[in-house]
Amino acid sequence: GAVVSQHPSRVICKSGTSVKIECRSLDFQATTMFWYRQFPKQSLMLMATSNEGSKATYEQGVEKDKFLINHASLTLSTLTVTSAHPEDSSFYICSAPGTGNYEQFFGPGTRLTVL
Amino acid sequence: KQEVTQIPAALSVPEGENLVLNCSFTDSAIYNLQWFRQDPGKGLTSLLLIQSSQREQTSGRLNASLDKSSGRSTLYIAASQPGDSATYLCAVSTGNQFYFGTGTSLTVIP
Repeated sequence: GAVVSQHPSRVICKSGTSVKIECRSLDFQATTMFWYRQFPKQSLMLMATSNEGSKATYEQGVEKDKFLINHASLTLSTLTVTSAHPEDSSFYICSAPGTGNYEQFFGPGTRLTVL
Repeated sequence: KQEVTQIPAALSVPEGENLVLNCSFTDSAIYNLQWFRQDPGKGLTSLLLIQSSQREQTSGRLNASLDKSSGRSTLYIAASQPGDSATYLCAVSTGNQFYFGTGTSLTVIP
């Protein structure tokens, strides 16, 4: 199946700093990618849809100035958490749809801890 | 808006038992349904994908069924093993929108 990677897998940062998370489709192209956030013992919540060559679409309640998304190419989307706060600590997962059957392929996730 | 619910939220069974996890969704206009496994602190592992035109899919000890008209899917795990302990998530696709269920935390006791 198709492979999606994320980098870094784990990051610890100080409050007020910015953190960039990369999501790559390794063996296929993705004009659309999705970013999810998962708090402990909860399900995944869609944050935004990343669109190659255009602006991302954010879900209600997600601050677009805080969570900057850039879909720079057909294989790379980045999520930048700006001015991170401890409440931004979470597990961030990206996904990309395969072609034809709408199957979603997920990255391994990034654990963000803001001190 | 699509809502996906999973019952039970948690399940504990002795090793060797067969078990069923349930997933229900409110809007039957879906393209497919996927079952995932998530180990603590890890990403998602796709288990089975059922297209909207299909009734079931099987992989090893796992069997997933789909009744689109009633908005239900089940994941059947045969002869459970301690290694099956994880959280199981179902998700439905309505094209480019993907909706996750609340998850079932499974513990298989040796």
